[in-house]
Amino acid sequence: EVQLVESGGGLVQPGGSLRLSCAASGFTFSNYWMTWVRQAPGKGLEWVANIKQDGSFKSFADSVRGRFTISRDNANNALYLQMNSLRAEDSAVYYCAKAGSSYVECESWGQGTLVTVSS
Amino acid sequence: QTVVTQEPSLTVSPGGTVTLTCASSTGAVTSAYYPSWFQQKPGQAPRALIYATSNKHSWTPARFSGSLLGDKAALTLSPVQPEDEADYYCLLYYDGPQPWVFGGGTKLTVL
Repeated sequence: EVQLVESGGGLVQPGGSLRLSCAASGFTFSNYWMTWVRQAPGKGLEWVANIKQDGSFKSFADSVRGRFTISRDNANNALYLQMNSLRAEDSAVYYCAKAGSSYVECESWGQGTLVTVSS
Repeated sequence: QTVVTQEPSLTVSPGGTVTLTCASSTGAVTSAYYPSWFQQKPGQAPRALIYATSNKHSWTPARFSGSLLGDKAALTLSPVQPEDEADYYCLLYYDGPQPWVFGGGTKLTVL
């Protein structure tokens, strides 16, 4: 059974940094693209970033490019999202998601971790 | 900036049929956009339903189907069950710096 468990969320001041983690199990982590998706309180889903199986290719949403970095550790089945220069509008639940086969995005989801950016 | 548009809300009666659509600001949605659909119930993480226009995951109930309808992607539920009341999101692929964009979501009420 695929399991994705996010951690690292919390309260951070505007301009601050936070690193989210996603622990993966139940599948061969190194075989799949991985993605971060976020959802602001009461709002819709927003695709944030994804990373190729070997970490050689990464894409970002326009809203976070240059501030967020995505990375992975295939040896430890972990996905990360480094968030810098945080803004109030980055406040959201952040979900980790596993892709399926080619062009099958977000096939399985974690339960999310809440990030609040506020002074 | 690319915008993906869905109906904000729809209401359907139990046992009925409803179609949700997904449009792109760039023009007609085709299979090359690899449309996918997700269901989200209150307090829960989203769940994938449909990928690559019309393919179902192993866990997707048979009453859900995906298609292209005119210049949009579509998700049809028939017959609708009370437990289908949820938010539904489409996701489209774009060949560019930001490869995936979610629609704004449709709140489906079963009444």
